[in-house]
Amino acid sequence: KQEVTQIPAALSVPEGENLVLNCSFTDSAIYNLQWFRQDPGKGLTSLLLIQSSQREQTSGRLNASLDKSSGRSTLYIAASQPGDSATYLCAFTGGGNKLTFGTGTQLKVEL
Amino acid sequence: DAGVIQSPRHEVTEMGQEVTLRCKPISGHNSLFWYRQTMMRGLELLIYFNNNVPIDDSGMPEDRFSAKMPNASFSTLKIQPSEPRDSAVYFCASRGQLSLSSSGNTIYFGEGSWLTVV
Repeated sequence: KQEVTQIPAALSVPEGENLVLNCSFTDSAIYNLQWFRQDPGKGLTSLLLIQSSQREQTSGRLNASLDKSSGRSTLYIAASQPGDSATYLCAFTGGGNKLTFGTGTQLKVEL
Repeated sequence: DAGVIQSPRHEVTEMGQEVTLRCKPISGHNSLFWYRQTMMRGLELLIYFNNNVPIDDSGMPEDRFSAKMPNASFSTLKIQPSEPRDSAVYFCASRGQLSLSSSGNTIYFGEGSWLTVV
């Protein structure tokens, strides 16, 4: 069974800092992975998607990487802003078309 | 496109009552997912459909839960009878046909149905 763990569970950083969120998974037979953002009381917004054949994707200040051999993915946020405060979740599409979510990292960027 | 549309957004009901949650996926998407989110357990996949056919319902907690997808543009998740432990946010999500294209594989979520059973 695929298990997805995100570390840290919560993170507080000052504005402007670069930061890395980590996601690890146990089953390397993945089709793709996605990073999502969830604001309080809202649904999930897709940030980046990486196919299993790719190693990274970039969108603006966000960069996501995938290392299947080590079972890890990272989300890099450059020059963090208070508006980046949210919960970030990684999720994998594996066998059977299922999307399995990680436990999430709650990020707070302070002024 | 308006995105994935869920209704109701909020519902408060008494224990024992039937609850029906509704979802309209993005037009053209052929996969539909129902998730439940709680503080204790995070996001759990309840059931998903491919081309209106239920593929995996192993996440449905018990017989009180049922889901249907009568056509490509509509799905329901029903709880009967409801219990206080069913209180959670229920999300519907949809995705197009899996492909080699990243953009085609993105899954889109609705805003959720916030259910409270008292």
